[in-house]
Amino acid sequence: QQQVKQSPQSLIVQKGGISIINCAYENTAFDYFPWYQQFPGKGPALLIAIRPDVSEKKEGRFTISFNKSAKQFSLHIMDSQPGDSATYFCAASMMQDSNYQLIWGAGTKLIIKP
Amino acid sequence: DAGVTQSPTHLIKTRGQQVTLRCSPKSGHDTVSWYQQALGQGPQFIFQYYEEEERQRGNFPDRFSGHQFPNYSSELNVNALLLGDSALYLCASSWGIGGALTDTQYFGPGTRLTVL
Repeated sequence: QQQVKQSPQSLIVQKGGISIINCAYENTAFDYFPWYQQFPGKGPALLIAIRPDVSEKKEGRFTISFNKSAKQFSLHIMDSQPGDSATYFCAASMMQDSNYQLIWGAGTKLIIKP
Repeated sequence: DAGVTQSPTHLIKTRGQQVTLRCSPKSGHDTVSWYQQALGQGPQFIFQYYEEEERQRGNFPDRFSGHQFPNYSSELNVNALLLGDSALYLCASSWGIGGALTDTQYFGPGTRLTVL
């Protein structure tokens, strides 16, 4: 119930195309859903995040779509660029027994072909 | 505004040795979490420090220990190093314990530990 399932494991998209990464969760106690971008040899950087009271959040070329009833959320990267090539992690967080839990997906390696 | 900083950048140790990694949180943050990230995998939570105390811990043995100082900086210590401890060790900072403000964690660049 603590898992966050992320797919696909890897993704190749042509420059200018739309990259879509999906995540699913089971525990309805999760109340915050961030996406992190990580370049090789670097720490993850917060990209965009959403709370379950909204169905979509857009920041520039990055959009999170959130489906509360299906317990799914996805990251859409519009007009994908070679500089977007990185590993993307979805995550979900909640408070449990006064402890903050941040549960990570397994990651998606995104390659944008020029 | 300095982000999360970690030192050293890279470290090479041999089996059985001990290592100390350091982290300074983002300005204004008082909570530090440590993660281990093996190659090709997502970060695994080690433990979290707030008010100089370990507040929660992931599934890591007692060989992994930590400390938080009054200025909120933190150390991760690993004793009796094993080959399997080779990984990128990430420090993340946030504000407080509980509530909306604590949700966002900011990560440092990590320390790459290689155990030979």
